[in-house]
Amino acid sequence: GENVEQHPSTLSVQEGDSAVIKCTYSDSASNYFPWYKQELGKRPQLIIDIRSNVGEKKDQRIAVTLNKTAKHFSLHITETQPEDSAVYFCAAAAFSGNTPLVFGKGTRLSVIA
Amino acid sequence: DGGITQSPKYLFRKEGQNVTLSCEQNLNHDAMYWYRQDPGQGLRLIYYSQIVNDFQKGDIAEGYSVSREKKESFPLTVTSAQKNPTAFYLCASSRGPVGNEQFFGPGTRLTVL
Repeated sequence: GENVEQHPSTLSVQEGDSAVIKCTYSDSASNYFPWYKQELGKRPQLIIDIRSNVGEKKDQRIAVTLNKTAKHFSLHITETQPEDSAVYFCAAAAFSGNTPLVFGKGTRLSVIA
Repeated sequence: DGGITQSPKYLFRKEGQNVTLSCEQNLNHDAMYWYRQDPGQGLRLIYYSQIVNDFQKGDIAEGYSVSREKKESFPLTVTSAQKNPTAFYLCASSRGPVGNEQFFGPGTRLTVL
């Protein structure tokens, strides 16, 4: 089955700097890669996702890149703000399959003002 | 944040007792999921259901049971066979099993004394 590795487990950046979180996956059939953000004491929420027919997707200050050959995808946050502090989870699944998302273990991002 | 609810928010039980966690959604979603969240462990899938009266084991199903008698409801029972039940439990739902955004409930923190 699918296995998703996420790095780093913790990340601290200065406000205004960029943050990058990387994930690798094992199943070459996976073609859907969402990212969830979980603020302290709140539920996880989808912030961006990418499907394998594109290599990059942007939404304001966040972007996700996908390298299918290397089986890795990354979340990029530019101009970080204190409200970006949260735990971020990547996930992967095969859109055509019947198995649910497999999540990484999460990255705790701290943005220092 | 409406649409999927979990109750109660905090739950305390004595060791050896079974306890049932509630999850209800009014999003008309077919698929529902239960996750366990422990520090540094990410989101681990306990059970999922793609349709009423059907459910499948996830990665850590031992000591748990579920039912899916109604589309809107997916209760989770933590049995006395679960060796380490103290954790944060998240319920989620989606329109389909894969390739669709998962919406999470607010979670239930279970403490077994």
